[in-house]
Amino acid sequence: GNSVTQMEGPVTLSEEAFLTINCTYTATGYPSLFWYVQYPGEGLQLLLKATKADDKGSNKGFEATYRKETTSFHLEKGSVQVSDSAVYFCALSDDGNKLVFGAGTILRVKS
Amino acid sequence: ETGVTQTPRHLVMGMTNKKSLKCEQHLGHNAMYWYKQSAKKPLELMFVYSLEERVENNSVPSRFSPECPNSSHLFLHLHTLQPEDSALYLCASSQLGGETQYFGPGTRLLVL
Repeated sequence: GNSVTQMEGPVTLSEEAFLTINCTYTATGYPSLFWYVQYPGEGLQLLLKATKADDKGSNKGFEATYRKETTSFHLEKGSVQVSDSAVYFCALSDDGNKLVFGAGTILRVKS
Repeated sequence: ETGVTQTPRHLVMGMTNKKSLKCEQHLGHNAMYWYKQSAKKPLELMFVYSLEERVENNSVPSRFSPECPNSSHLFLHLHTLQPEDSALYLCASSQLGGETQYFGPGTRLLVL
């Protein structure tokens, strides 16, 4: 079956540090890939997505590139802020209406 | 109101109570979802409604009963819950054939 594996957290960084959160997937077919973010006390918000190989999704300084050869969709940001502290979920969708989520990675950014 | 709203935001109930969670979407979508988010576990998809018909029920106990009276509203009726049902319950919506789901803020449920 389809699955998503994320690096375990929590990830703790100082402000302005470089962020990478690893995500790899297993899927039949050609899924779309997503990163969702959950701020404290809130629901999930779509951060970015990519629908085919070599696509790069980007939003709010975050980027992720769909790498079919390594089945990966790692999330990166060049300079994190305290306000980026949240839980980040990698997910895939291969039938249009069903998302498979990773376990989530907690990010803590210290000032 | 915009996006996906959920009420109540917080709920405490005893194991013999009956309560309902409400979700409303203002995005013109035609598919809606219930998820359960427990501590230290991945999001669990509970139910999927497509064009107001239930199309997926992921082995959810019968003490959870969903209802979708129209494309904008989704309910989750709760009765005789267990303490292990305490979690954040998230509602989401999407357009059929579209892959992006939009989530509400969730209802934080505590079963005593």
